[in-house]
Amino acid sequence: NAGVTQTPKFRVLKTGQSMTLLCAQDMNHEYMYWYRQDPGMGLRLIHYSVGEGTTAKGEVPDGYNVSRLKKQNFLLGLESAAPSQTSVYFCASSSLGRGQFFGPGTRLTVL
Amino acid sequence: AQTVTQSQPEMSVQEAETVTLSCTYDTSESDYYLFWYKQPPSRQMILVIRQEAYKQQNATENRFSVNFQKAAKSFSLKISDSQLGDAAMYFCAYRSEIRGDYKLSFGAGTTVTVRA
Repeated sequence: NAGVTQTPKFRVLKTGQSMTLLCAQDMNHEYMYWYRQDPGMGLRLIHYSVGEGTTAKGEVPDGYNVSRLKKQNFLLGLESAAPSQTSVYFCASSSLGRGQFFGPGTRLTVL
Repeated sequence: AQTVTQSQPEMSVQEAETVTLSCTYDTSESDYYLFWYKQPPSRQMILVIRQEAYKQQNATENRFSVNFQKAAKSFSLKISDSQLGDAAMYFCAYRSEIRGDYKLSFGAGTTVTVRA
């Protein structure tokens, strides 16, 4: 059981470049989430999904898109990266009544 | 949206001593969960303990216990017999059981340093 995995672990982008972060979970969880963590601000929700084929906006969705084509995968896309998107990104998944299980995080730097 | 406040940016504790981290939250809902997560330098988010709002008994997990005061909207974490491995950032989080999306709202975190 790998739990929640994230790919890649580190990435450096130039302003305007695009990229996709992949989150995979093998726990058959219905719910999946993408957060960003910035110093002094805790984790803020970007987008989330309550099931395969569904997505919804969180607290800070601007500049990001997501897709949940398969139950086990949740993709986070940056179409045109900006320095303000420099952050650590966490994916999490959960099932009913349980706490969220987190991936190891992806450190993204946008120059 | 629910607001979770952790008023202590940093706390320091001597090894084997006890430290208490504070957390307050703002909600008009009656059915919710509260969580404490630990984030060590490895960056991995680890669930420490959780509390169901309708349960009056405070949750306990080994050396970790909470003081849940529903009327005061307070949810503090007590770490007893502190160990060097407890050094981490600790986050308090709120989850509504009414909305059905199970999103977490996090506080800004408290960094715990353990002195040998």
